[in-house]
Amino acid sequence: GAGVSQSPSNKVTEKGKDVELRCDPISGHTALYWYRQSLGQGLEFLIYFQGNSAPDKSGLPSDRFSAERTGGSVSTLTIQRTQQEDSAVYLCASSLIGSETNTQYFGPGTRLTVL
Amino acid sequence: AQSVTQLGSHVSVSEGALVLLRCNYSSSVPPYLFWYVQYPNQGLQLLLKYTSAATLVKGINGFEAEFKKSETSFHLTKPSAHMSDAAEYFCAVSAQGGSEKLVFGKGTKLTVNP
Repeated sequence: GAGVSQSPSNKVTEKGKDVELRCDPISGHTALYWYRQSLGQGLEFLIYFQGNSAPDKSGLPSDRFSAERTGGSVSTLTIQRTQQEDSAVYLCASSLIGSETNTQYFGPGTRLTVL
Repeated sequence: AQSVTQLGSHVSVSEGALVLLRCNYSSSVPPYLFWYVQYPNQGLQLLLKYTSAATLVKGINGFEAEFKKSETSFHLTKPSAHMSDAAEYFCAVSAQGGSEKLVFGKGTKLTVNP
């Protein structure tokens, strides 16, 4: 596609439920990133994938958060046993390694609300 | 380690006035620097980036930024504000040379008054 797409655009869930957020990167982009944007914390890095390398999970806030990237393309961010503090906008970005300098292109985000 | 400080969480200017949004960075390695803009309920759009070539970088919508290593700054400017510039602006830093994560500042919300 022309840009990074994310689904759903909005997700409301109850505390304790699991959620899955999806990201479709720009076709051909080898790197994929997840960030979280919340009022209190601003924009925070969560995880990134590059090719077949082991993902950098250093930003994941707890073991309730996990992500996978299947076939080097689509990625799913899973939050288990959601808590109210997980409420935020989850942004996905992709970039083409080996081209210009780590220009990350962002999707529109998924707004997660945990009741 | 890298960090970004954006001075002023809110900036208000009149239409036609100069826009100046401040960004200072800290990086233990040569940085790449970015400015992104976010309109309400949208994702981040790249305005411009510094990649160790020219220190004065021109971006979209008439914005530009100058990399000043001695001041560890990368301030964003626009000579004449338009109403459509009202948005939140984020400065970000990454390490050169690879697919590095971005470290963002807290953002500056720009209001443009008629």
